[in-house]
Amino acid sequence: GQQVMQIPQYQHVQEGEDFTTYCNSSTTLSNIQWYKQRPGGHPVFLIQLVKSGEVKKQKRLTFQFGEAKKNSSLHITATQTTDVGTYFCAAIDMRFGAGTRLTVKP
Amino acid sequence: NAGVTQTPKFQVLKTGQSMTLQCAQDMNHEYMSWYRQDPGMGLRLIHYSVGAGITDQGEVPNGYNVSRSTTEDFPLRLLSAAPSQTSVYFCASSYRPTYSQHNSPLHFGNGTRLTVT
Repeated sequence: GQQVMQIPQYQHVQEGEDFTTYCNSSTTLSNIQWYKQRPGGHPVFLIQLVKSGEVKKQKRLTFQFGEAKKNSSLHITATQTTDVGTYFCAAIDMRFGAGTRLTVKP
Repeated sequence: NAGVTQTPKFQVLKTGQSMTLQCAQDMNHEYMSWYRQDPGMGLRLIHYSVGAGITDQGEVPNGYNVSRSTTEDFPLRLLSAAPSQTSVYFCASSYRPTYSQHNSPLHFGNGTRLTVT
């Protein structure tokens, strides 16, 4: 399967600061999906990236797919307390990265 | 639509007991899967199915059985529970199988929190 490594494992930020999580693979990925899981909740789909170099935005969230399709990132601008949760990437065989847990201090 | 429904929400078992975690979806999705989530380990794929009558193993299949007799249902059976199976279990489904470039998003159930003592 296409194993993806995700960093960092944890990130603590002050509200208003930016946040980035990275997903890396040793092999070329066909596509990559991103999910968010709120504390005590279930993962919820955010976005799918397919094309090399693709960039997609959802309000304060920016998703990128690397040119070589071996890495991806999720960047949140000016975090809010509603951004708290764990962010996961998933490769085409639906194996997930370990996730990045984001906490936001008001 | 109810989406993906998992029962029970909570379960406590003694070592050696067996049980079935239920999962049903009403979206006519072909693909269904089971994950377990442990602290710091993310979501690990246990078993999956690309359609009725077809199942396959994921990353951590040992100790679990599945069957897919209908499109809607995908139960997960623990044959002889062990403390190592204490975890949160999620069932998920998607419209398209996950092998194509345009695989569709996974829809998750609310999870079953299982404790084995």
